[in-house]
Amino acid sequence: DTEVTQTPKHLVMGMTNKKSLKCEQHMGHRAMYWYKQKAKKPPELMFVYSYEKLSINESVPSRFSPECPNSSLLNLHLHALQPEDSALYLCASTLRVAITEAFFGQGTRLTVV
Amino acid sequence: SQQGEEDPQALSIQEGENATMNCSYKTSINNLQWYRQNSGRGLVHLILIRSNEREKHSGRLRVTLDTSKKSSSLLITASRAADTASYFCASYSGAGSYQLTFGKGTKLSVIP
Repeated sequence: DTEVTQTPKHLVMGMTNKKSLKCEQHMGHRAMYWYKQKAKKPPELMFVYSYEKLSINESVPSRFSPECPNSSLLNLHLHALQPEDSALYLCASTLRVAITEAFFGQGTRLTVV
Repeated sequence: SQQGEEDPQALSIQEGENATMNCSYKTSINNLQWYRQNSGRGLVHLILIRSNEREKHSGRLRVTLDTSKKSSSLLITASRAADTASYFCASYSGAGSYQLTFGKGTKLSVIP
């Protein structure tokens, strides 16, 4: 299994809603990442988890809250988002950090209304 | 911050022609990677070239790396309409960095 699975594929939420994005991999990768991608832009790193511990938080607003329950799962909890947070959210995993190629999920297309 | 800068930003070619995309980066790297992204979907890893390698091939892909110039190029030979996508270079910025940082990307259109 060489897949990273993200759910849901599409999400529309109001600015007062709370929702969660989910990411799962069963490749035994020990590093997992959240990226945000706006239209016609490259992915921008948000968070890195290494061995289930948060390694990097790229000055992301607190309305985004990551969680890594175990080595296979990564969640991104969303609360009180703004319309400018609408984007494609990508999850990725690597066997180890800083060395190997990343496997990406298909992303969650988020629209904040 | 972005580690890589791709050139050109957009490229349109006829099917069967070769496509060359360039990438420049700023800091020292362990390796440089190229990814493809079809419209609105996840990224797919294409090829990884280590800092001690100068050239690497994979099928119709050829990647070169010049660490003295901090640059890399991706050549796609005999392009097909299915190669239409955005292509990004990426690297871990700095020794021991956890950040896999992407360049701005080249949008390739292959016209049948």
